Amino acid sequence: SQTIHQWPATLVQPVGSPLSLECTVEGTSNPNLYWYRQAAGRGLQLLFYSVGIGQISSEVPQNLSASRPQDRQFILSSKKLLLSDSGFYLCAWSDYTDTQYFGPGTRLTVL
Amino acid sequence: GESVGLHLPTLSVQEGDNSIINCAYSNSASDYFIWYKQESGKGPQFIIDIRSNMDKRQGQRVTVLLNKTVKHLSLQIAATQPGDSAVYFCAEKTEGAQKLVFGQGTRLTINP
Repeated sequence: SQTIHQWPATLVQPVGSPLSLECTVEGTSNPNLYWYRQAAGRGLQLLFYSVGIGQISSEVPQNLSASRPQDRQFILSSKKLLLSDSGFYLCAWSDYTDTQYFGPGTRLTVL
Repeated sequence: GESVGLHLPTLSVQEGDNSIINCAYSNSASDYFIWYKQESGKGPQFIIDIRSNMDKRQGQRVTVLLNKTVKHLSLQIAATQPGDSAVYFCAEKTEGAQKLVFGQGTRLTINP
């Protein structure tokens, strides 16, 4: 069966510091991968998605970037965090169907 | 543009009653719809999905109804239990698109 992992689970970072969040998927090959951000009490905002290694599509202009160095690894990064980057970051995967399956999320607090 | 909205931000039901969570969408080209359940501090959990060539689909204690005429989607939960307390999101997708468009969510609370 497929499993999706995210780490760290929680993170507290100062403004201006770099960020690296990691997502890995097990049990499937060539998945579509997605990064979402969720503000407190709000819906999900799609940030990036990837249909293959090295292929990244950005949905929202911002100071975040994504990379996919391996087939089942998706990384969300920032060079300098802003206060507005605080939120709950969710990674998801899908295969040839349209169903997306979410990971446990990373709670990021920027102080 | 595309939008998926919810009629009610909160819903409170008695334990054992049936719950109905509603969702409206505006894109007539949407052909795939999905419901997620999100408990506090956790990632969304897939509940049930439906394609536009269907009007109804049933799962375990859940039923999704799709009315394409009025662009309306609903999730019915039978015999609501305390463990059903969560925020429920609907989402839709158009054919060929890579992304799901999410609604803002409905918080379901269960009264004992």
